[in-house]
Amino acid sequence: QVQLVESGGGVVQPGGSLRLSCAASGFTFSSYGMHWVRQAPGKGLEWVAFIRYDGSNKYYADSVKGRFTISRDNSKNTLYLQMNSLRAEDTAVYYCAKDETALGYWYFDLWGRGTLVTVSS
Amino acid sequence: AIRMTQSPSSLSASTGDRVTITCRASQGISSYLAWYQQKPGKAPKLLIYAASTLQSGVPSRFSGSGSGTDFTLTISCLQSEDFATYYCQQYYSYPPVTFGGGTKVEIK
Repeated sequence: QVQLVESGGGVVQPGGSLRLSCAASGFTFSSYGMHWVRQAPGKGLEWVAFIRYDGSNKYYADSVKGRFTISRDNSKNTLYLQMNSLRAEDTAVYYCAKDETALGYWYFDLWGRGTLVTVSS
Repeated sequence: AIRMTQSPSSLSASTGDRVTITCRASQGISSYLAWYQQKPGKAPKLLIYAASTLQSGVPSRFSGSGSGTDFTLTISCLQSEDFATYYCQQYYSYPPVTFGGGTKVEIK
């Protein structure tokens, strides 16, 4: 079954850290670029980060640059998002999303169900 | 970043209606536009890419058109399972890719 399953969300205090994971199955994970996209409660979609199929290039939204790190382990079919220096405005459901291609065509043809991150004291 | 503006932000319609949603880009994006459907508590689902290409498995009552700055998503005969929020997304210029604010399609 082709799917993405996120995990690792939870409640964290401002300034804290969290690492999200996304387990892929049913397709050749190592052949595709991958993204993280988030959605604040009751709000629209915001792209967060992208990594190429081999991890050679990474890109970030200005709102998370320097605080978040995207990575992948193709041997484990898993995508990660390390989130540091978290702020209240980072509160959102975080989705991992598959790109159409290896190098990135930058639209998303498969999404996970998301994991909720709440930043609150 | 390119700004994407959707209209309306919400609409009420009945099953069987023809529904049209508009998306406008702040600058020309050729045909690098995707449409997604999101139901409450669920992940978005890709409906259309390249402005008018239907993703595999998506019903043919969905169609997309446009190029440059103005785009349209049309649902030709609204079904009960189509009540959802719809988002457009440009992928002409990145990073970042950007989404419209969404259009919520509600039952009249």
